Amino acid sequence: DVKVTQSSRYLVKRTGEKVFLECVQDMDHENMFWYRQDPGLGLRLIYFSYDVKMKEKGDIPEGYSVSREKKERFSLILESASTNQTSMYLCASTRGQGSYEQYFGPGTRLTVT
Amino acid sequence: RKEVEQDPGPFNVPEGATVAFNCTYSNSASQSFFWYRQDCRKEPKLLMSVYSSGNEDGRFTAQLNRASQYISLLIRDSKLSDSATYLCVVNSGSARQLTFGSGTQLTVLP
Repeated sequence: DVKVTQSSRYLVKRTGEKVFLECVQDMDHENMFWYRQDPGLGLRLIYFSYDVKMKEKGDIPEGYSVSREKKERFSLILESASTNQTSMYLCASTRGQGSYEQYFGPGTRLTVT
Repeated sequence: RKEVEQDPGPFNVPEGATVAFNCTYSNSASQSFFWYRQDCRKEPKLLMSVYSSGNEDGRFTAQLNRASQYISLLIRDSKLSDSATYLCVVNSGSARQLTFGSGTQLTVLP
């Protein structure tokens, strides 16, 4: 079974803090994704990565950055957390070209106060 | 206009009922279509892909209408365990990216 893990299930941070969300997949998948999920808005793509050290902006990259130093790990960074970044953050991965099934991690519920 | 639109519901149906969800997409160049299921406080998981000819998986049937740009999911003989949010998903732009609808919430009542 594909396993995607995220470093925290729940996180509470203060406005202005730098926040790191970690995601690890154990199936040698090429593609990794970060989404946020908000009521009524569904899942929105923040960033994705096709390969190590490669990243592409999604639909809502403002206020976020990412890092992919190893194939299995994809990190989402909030440089200076703001209250409007309070959300559920979901990481996902797919095997590679031509494969669309995304495997999701359990999510991190981030609250910025 | 949202790229993928779904009726948010909620749909409350009795056990054994048949329920149908529709979804419309705006990008006529979209090639791949899926239904994902998300249980409360859980991550989304692939339920089924949607093929041009329509496809069935047990009690679930998915249909695609390219001319009208909509996708449907039919659930027959609903079970309590079918209660979840159903996400319509379409590939968009890059072949690797998916666009998710906001989801339709289903509650099956005893």
